[in-house]
Amino acid sequence: DTGVSQDPRHKITKRGQNVTFRCDPISEHNRLYWYRQTLGQGPEFLTYFQNEAQLEKSRLLSDRFSAERPKGSFSTLEIQRTEQGDSAMYLCASSHGQNYGYTFGSGTRLTVV
Amino acid sequence: QKEVEQNSGPLSVPEGAIASLNCTYSDRGSQSFFWYRQYSGKSPELIMSIYSNGDKEDGRFTAQLNKASQYVSLLIRDSQPSDSATYLCAVIISSGSARQLTFGSGTQLTVLP
Repeated sequence: DTGVSQDPRHKITKRGQNVTFRCDPISEHNRLYWYRQTLGQGPEFLTYFQNEAQLEKSRLLSDRFSAERPKGSFSTLEIQRTEQGDSAMYLCASSHGQNYGYTFGSGTRLTVV
Repeated sequence: QKEVEQNSGPLSVPEGAIASLNCTYSDRGSQSFFWYRQYSGKSPELIMSIYSNGDKEDGRFTAQLNKASQYVSLLIRDSQPSDSATYLCAVIISSGSARQLTFGSGTQLTVLP
């Protein structure tokens, strides 16, 4: 296993369109996290899964955002009716315990025009 | 008050010098602390973790933790131009029913040849 994989690496979309990102975590890790990072800021927590259960969602995650992790393997993050303020790097991470460091994927850079 | 605070910098040091990066956190119950390095346009990479008071050394990197003062630092000895990056302090902090990694805004380090 070579680490956390994210797809696509870059996405340019028009305002109002829907986009979906995929994350494949490290196979031994049961915890999967989504973060968002804008320029000059640290990553901000969006949501977290333990196996297939979504256990925590940040108030940053508006109702236009939805995340799934079917069967506790890969995860998807969908943004509906994108807005220019959604432009950011979306990072996926995984870990094998709640007190361990997270391994991040390469991220998906979203640009909404 | 932010949950994790760092001096935003930028910090410039000459090649071969010691770079000192500082971080404070608000949750007295935190037990897990991390430093990530992030090159421009890339995702964060875990470089150090520390869980107990005192120093932890790994090659040219030393992490220092003082839970009483709620203070974490990272020292980089014999700084190299390749160390030029943004360094993110991250702390596992309780939020709602879960605990997740919370980041500072990062300190941009430039090592001058």
